[in-house]
Amino acid sequence: EPEVTQTPSHQVTQMGQEVILRCVPISNHLYFYWYRQILGQKVEFLVSFYNNEISEKSEIFDDQFSVERPDGSNFTLKIRSTKLEDSAMYFCASTLSPGVDTQYFGPGTRLTVL
Amino acid sequence: DAKTTQPNSMESNEEEPVHLPCNHSTISGTDYIHWYRQLPSQGPEYVIHGLTSNVNNRMASLAIAEDRKSSTLILHRATLRDAAVYYCILRVGIQGAQKLVFGQGTRLTINP
Repeated sequence: EPEVTQTPSHQVTQMGQEVILRCVPISNHLYFYWYRQILGQKVEFLVSFYNNEISEKSEIFDDQFSVERPDGSNFTLKIRSTKLEDSAMYFCASTLSPGVDTQYFGPGTRLTVL
Repeated sequence: DAKTTQPNSMESNEEEPVHLPCNHSTISGTDYIHWYRQLPSQGPEYVIHGLTSNVNNRMASLAIAEDRKSSTLILHRATLRDAAVYYCILRVGIQGAQKLVFGQGTRLTINP
């Protein structure tokens, strides 16, 4: 069964450094998402992406964050200058159709900012 | 975003049925009821969804009240692998890339 993959599984970085989290969505999917989950808290939406454009973003997704689909398979989340509070699990998701179609999630990247 | 209310936690025994309730009294006519779950140290996983009628799939059943103000996710025979946080989420039935809005969910513990 096709699945969403994410790399790395764990990233440790120093405060102020840039990080890029990578995702490979399911191959024929068209809509892509990033969510994050701070330890012990609920899953929060960050951004949705379709047709090489951001469809929607949350208040969390400020100027320090950016997303890109650099080629036909990867979908990346960049944090320009990490802060301690960016430490969280970051989940990528994808879906084939818009609306209420099922979102398929990757296993997540644990980001630790020291 | 339409709101749902779930118990913080529930406990059940292995091989017994589990009924996970969700209240959504402010649901509108175009809202679909979705259930996702999150196993420990994993990403969320789709379980089931419905609009008005009860639904069954290989994972679970979804029973929707006639007034649609509440629903119940039914795991017919729980296994230890079903221990997870279960999220009841309302999604508007319109086109466009739609985010999922997660609440705190119900943490389900399965006793051997």
